[in-house]
Amino acid sequence: DQQVKQNSPSLSVQEGRISILNCDYTNSMFDYFLWYKKYPAEGPTFLISISSIKDKNEDGRFTVFLNKSAKHLSLHIVPSQPGDSAVYFCAASGWAQKLVFGQGTRLTINP
Amino acid sequence: EAGVAQSPRYKIIEKRQSVAFWCNPISGHATLYWYQQILGQGPKLLIQFQNNGVVDDSQLPKDRFSAERLKGVDSTLKIQPAKLEDSAVYLCASSLVGGKDYGYTFGSGTRLTVV
Repeated sequence: DQQVKQNSPSLSVQEGRISILNCDYTNSMFDYFLWYKKYPAEGPTFLISISSIKDKNEDGRFTVFLNKSAKHLSLHIVPSQPGDSAVYFCAASGWAQKLVFGQGTRLTINP
Repeated sequence: EAGVAQSPRYKIIEKRQSVAFWCNPISGHATLYWYQQILGQGPKLLIQFQNNGVVDDSQLPKDRFSAERLKGVDSTLKIQPAKLEDSAVYLCASSLVGGKDYGYTFGSGTRLTVV
């Protein structure tokens, strides 16, 4: 039972353009959502989060959008930079406070 | 601030052997998590500790996996006996409290290969 899904295993974007990573969830009890970034041979690092009471959260080049009715969130990176090349995981949490992760999307930024 | 330390970084064992992983969380972090990340999948929670007590071990295969957190600090995760499908990266994470402030910090993980 995959409660958090990232349907795009990979995404390739030109440097300077916008990267959009998508995530869908099925559990309506989730009320907090996060994005993590992972480089090879390293653990995931926290990037940005959003509470279910909001529909947008912005931090520098990163913006997360939440559409609760569609059970969908997205991460926008603009402008994309070569250092953004990594695997991005979407994660969600509910009352149990444990994180449920999606499968990840490998983002490649091309010069 | 020192990060979450894990060892070893890599381990190769034969099936049916046993293996143990060690994690030292960030000082003062009460909550410790072990995640299993199989290639091509997202991390999956195996067990969550609050201090030295288990909060959630619902996805821990208890017939072969065990974990402990002595004195509410370091933790070890053991697999005995190992199966081929246990090949994965085992990630340890810690946070100040189990909660939504999300000071979740992950270690670099231990990559286990079972042959």
